[in-house]
Amino acid sequence: AQTVTQSQPEMSVQEAETVTLSCTYDTSESDYYLFWYKQPPSRQMILVIRQEAYKQQNATENRFSVNFQKAAKSFSLKISDSQLGDAAMYFCAYRSAGGAQKLVFGQGTRLTINP
Amino acid sequence: DVKVTQSSRYLVKRTGEKVFLECVQDMDHENMFWYRQDPGLGLRLIYFSYDVKMKEKGDIPEGYSVSREKKERFSLILESASTNQTSMYLCASSTTGSLSSYEQYFGPGTRLTVT
Repeated sequence: AQTVTQSQPEMSVQEAETVTLSCTYDTSESDYYLFWYKQPPSRQMILVIRQEAYKQQNATENRFSVNFQKAAKSFSLKISDSQLGDAAMYFCAYRSAGGAQKLVFGQGTRLTINP
Repeated sequence: DVKVTQSSRYLVKRTGEKVFLECVQDMDHENMFWYRQDPGLGLRLIYFSYDVKMKEKGDIPEGYSVSREKKERFSLILESASTNQTSMYLCASSTTGSLSSYEQYFGPGTRLTVT
């Protein structure tokens, strides 16, 4: 079975600075998808960024980018120019390419932005 | 925009009660999911459904059942609520197909307390 590990329960960063959230996963599959989801306080979970395992290029969405290291099974999220609205729980998630579309989530990292 | 709604934001029930959590999505998605979210454990999949009247067990199905009589509605049932089922419950939906972004869309969550 696949597992996802987020080893940083909490992180904090100064506004406008850059922060990196870590995620490692374990799988024997070669084709899969990785996601970062954001859950703001008392608000719905939303997708931040997605990476297909077959793509070597790291995904980027505005201030959010990932460092995908397939051999190391590592998938970190970098947030540049942190804003107060980035404060949230961040979850890393894994999905097999075939079969059911269920996600396997990490434990989550609570990100605090200091003004 | 995809909208996933859940019947209650907060719910308090007594031990032994039968509890129904309802989820409705308005985007004609084939797949629907129920997760529970606990601090330090992330999100864990309880059940999912990829079609009307179809259901599959997730990672922690014990003590729960589900019903999907219509495509847009997916219900989670706690047959006899227990205190260890006190948690946040999240519903999600997704679509399948070549144009799918594989994204799961989440509801706002139901915080259930069993006393």
